[in-house]
Amino acid sequence: NAGVTQTPKFQVLKTGQSMTLQCAQDMNHEYMSWYRQDPGMGLRLIHYSVGAGITDQGEVPNGYNVSRSTTEDFPLRLLSAAPSQTSVYFCASRGETWDGGYTFGSGTRLTVV
Amino acid sequence: DAKTTQPNSMESNEEEPVHLPCNHSTISGTDYIHWYRQLPSQGPEYVIHGLTSNVNNRMASLAIAEDRKSSTLILHRATLRDAAVYYCILRRRSNDYKLSFGAGTTVTVRA
Repeated sequence: NAGVTQTPKFQVLKTGQSMTLQCAQDMNHEYMSWYRQDPGMGLRLIHYSVGAGITDQGEVPNGYNVSRSTTEDFPLRLLSAAPSQTSVYFCASRGETWDGGYTFGSGTRLTVV
Repeated sequence: DAKTTQPNSMESNEEEPVHLPCNHSTISGTDYIHWYRQLPSQGPEYVIHGLTSNVNNRMASLAIAEDRKSSTLILHRATLRDAAVYYCILRRRSNDYKLSFGAGTTVTVRA
């Protein structure tokens, strides 16, 4: 089915470990972004990309890296996990039609202990 | 950025209409009004959007005030599957890369 696929769905990390959250879309969307959602709060933008090879920071980028080597994939890397990064992470994408809605993945629930 | 204000929560009975208000008194002429919803344990889902005129789609209707300082999302016949957090968001072409999610309105539907 067409959409945004995130893996893994759940992950537990120890403080200081690194990992990559995967995001893939099969809709040929140019725009992709990563959000985090903390309990009882709205989503906050971490990083975004307007096309392959182009990325930029959102409002909470510290502790996260991204790259966009293909249109389909937009991985999010945590270099040294901290308890403050415990959250649910959502990847989203949209096509070139500006006023179209964003499509979100089902999320990755990350716990850092 | 222009802000939106929504009630924290609303309750409805199944098969009754739900009217979700959103205040955006500082909206600019180039801001589009978007609505998303987030079902429990899922990512947000696009619902509807509009600029000046009222809009209808299979999910909902969007009524926009003439001065555009407020809008109302209308779920015509609520079902238990409509229980979610609903977000009213302003989008502007100049900084479209970011969706600014507030706390939204938590809708509870009673059977």
